[in-house]
Amino acid sequence: EIVMTQSPVALSVSPGERATLSCRASQSISRYLAWYQQKPGQAPRLLIYDASTRATGIPARFSGSGSGTEFTLTISSLQSEDFAVYYCQQYDTWPPFAFGPGTKVDIK
Amino acid sequence: QVTLKESGPVLLKPTETLTLTCTVSGFSLSNVKMAVSWIRQPPGGALEWLAHIFSNDKTSYNTSLKNRLTISKDTFKSQVVLTVTNMDPVDTATYYCARLVTGFNAIFDSWGQGMVVTVSS
Repeated sequence: EIVMTQSPVALSVSPGERATLSCRASQSISRYLAWYQQKPGQAPRLLIYDASTRATGIPARFSGSGSGTEFTLTISSLQSEDFAVYYCQQYDTWPPFAFGPGTKVDIK
Repeated sequence: QVTLKESGPVLLKPTETLTLTCTVSGFSLSNVKMAVSWIRQPPGGALEWLAHIFSNDKTSYNTSLKNRLTISKDTFKSQVVLTVTNMDPVDTATYYCARLVTGFNAIFDSWGQGMVVTVSS
């Protein structure tokens, strides 16, 4: 069973700065990785799939990269609405679907 | 517009059975490339996939809870039902249903608002 880990656990960033979030899989998952954003009191929202493809309506400041076991989500210039928790999810081998533990991005 | 909405009890006692219903609109449960999943999230915790069901009634379950979970659907009513037996306080969580789109990938592209379920005596 594939295990996902994320780092850091929390990240403090000033508005307008870049945020870089990492996700690691316990074995190679090719590019079968998605990223989700979750704001307090809301359901998760799909941001990125296939490691680097933005979902419909997602701003270009969100970008994903990586393959194999190492992946990165970059938010190029943080906006106030981007402060949230971000989860990665693998779909190379399923079921089960494995999510990472999340990275919280908050205001510095 | 795709929507999913969870409904069910908000408070249960230990050992009781949870029955949650997900009512969908904007897509059909007969679509072969789509499934409906249940995912839960304990307070302050991470997302945990529980189960899913496809149009052909093929189901999969999280093995850590497999014996306690049952998922079913009524295509004509556009509803997916999850039952969880023998509920415990550790099952306190927000329960989401989500559309799983498969094909070249397998992603949860639409989610319900979530249902907060508390287990307490």
